[in-house]
Amino acid sequence: DGGITQSPKYLFRKEGQNVTLSCEQNLNHDAMYWYRQDPGQGLRLIYYSQIVNDFQKGDIAEGYSVSREKKESFPLTVTSAQKNPTAFYLCASSHRGENTEAFFGQGTRLTVV
Amino acid sequence: AQSVAQPEDQVNVAEGNPLTVKCTYSVSGNPYLFWYVQYPNRGLQFLLKYITGDNLVKGSYGFEAEFNKSQTSFHLKKPSALVSDSALYFCAVRASQGSGNTGKLIFGQGTTLQVKP
Repeated sequence: DGGITQSPKYLFRKEGQNVTLSCEQNLNHDAMYWYRQDPGQGLRLIYYSQIVNDFQKGDIAEGYSVSREKKESFPLTVTSAQKNPTAFYLCASSHRGENTEAFFGQGTRLTVV
Repeated sequence: AQSVAQPEDQVNVAEGNPLTVKCTYSVSGNPYLFWYVQYPNRGLQFLLKYITGDNLVKGSYGFEAEFNKSQTSFHLKKPSALVSDSALYFCAVRASQGSGNTGKLIFGQGTTLQVKP
């Protein structure tokens, strides 16, 4: 099946630890995105990548890092510098171009314990 | 900078009645506008998009949206609501880069639609 796969679905992290969220797509999309969703705040863009080996900061990049070594993969690392990491994280991808819709994964719920 | 506003946190409508979920945007240049729906603890599903041309766009599940350039709005509509339409709805915008780049896709804060039997 074609689509975007995020793993794991639920993730628990101790304070002070880094954790990496996986996002893989087999849609042959050039662009990929990471969003954070908090209640009442909608989706906020963390990072996005338009092509392999290139990515740009979104509106809330502090405390996060990404890599884009392969077209299919766009992992997000939540570092210990992120002060409030508990949230629902959504990965998306799209074809390159301004008029293309994005397709979303099912999300990862990260909880700091 | 581009932005999207959804002025209503929640919209309540009776089943069978028409529904409207409001969205306004701010962007430099031509906008590309999108509507998505989200069910609890799931990702977002694409409903429809406006690129250019006809101001009334038809999408999935009987939804449509009307683009109004003078009011910078892109309201989501459906002539007859179903209980199963109850969900969280997001409007999104991408500014025209003019260079073929994909650019940021920015979302509003979402509107919860509650359709009562």
